[in-house]
Amino acid sequence: SQQGEEDPQALSIQEGENATMNCSYKTSINNLQWYRQNSGRGLVHLILIRSNEREKHSGRLRVTLDTSKKSSSLLITASRAADTASYFCASPGYSSASKIIFGSGTRLSIRP
Amino acid sequence: DVKVTQSSRYLVKRTGEKVFLECVQDMDHENMFWYRQDPGLGLRLIYFSYDVKMKEKGDIPEGYSVSREKKERFSLILESASTNQTSMYLCASSSTGSGYNEQFFGPGTRLTVL
Repeated sequence: SQQGEEDPQALSIQEGENATMNCSYKTSINNLQWYRQNSGRGLVHLILIRSNEREKHSGRLRVTLDTSKKSSSLLITASRAADTASYFCASPGYSSASKIIFGSGTRLSIRP
Repeated sequence: DVKVTQSSRYLVKRTGEKVFLECVQDMDHENMFWYRQDPGLGLRLIYFSYDVKMKEKGDIPEGYSVSREKKERFSLILESASTNQTSMYLCASSSTGSGYNEQFFGPGTRLTVL
């Protein structure tokens, strides 16, 4: 019952470069969320974008949402070693308004 | 600051043992969730609770049960642990009132069943 799929599965970039991760989902949504997970830890909510928004910024994060293509992207600018983590998109579960369904994640590695 | 805590970071149990994983949140959230996370499979929902004593099966409830006697506490029970239940278990909570279902996660429990 996976709703979102991230692309790429893994990404390795040099510190200071920008990192872009993409997410595609299947059904209509009223919002899409991005989470970060450091190795061996719980997930941390990064940003939420509503269906009537096309772009949202938070610090070095920029999220876009294209509801016509059922896709979203997360851009991290000027990457740092501390950005090394897995990133997940999540969208509302179609069977319950309170559930969200996570994608499979993108594993981001920042090389010093 | 919002907080979700889990009773153990690491746990080692033997096959056939009854295992309790506890989760506590201090945000007065209505919803609580248990996920398991395995390499290549992402997060899979085991059980979900939307109120005290209320529960709903997730995608992979087999071999698990849950208990929610108080609003702040959600327990995951492995009645008879098996090796294929070795995994990372994540608890989360969310507020119905938020309207957008942002979930707050605990640090996770890495369970090994021998």
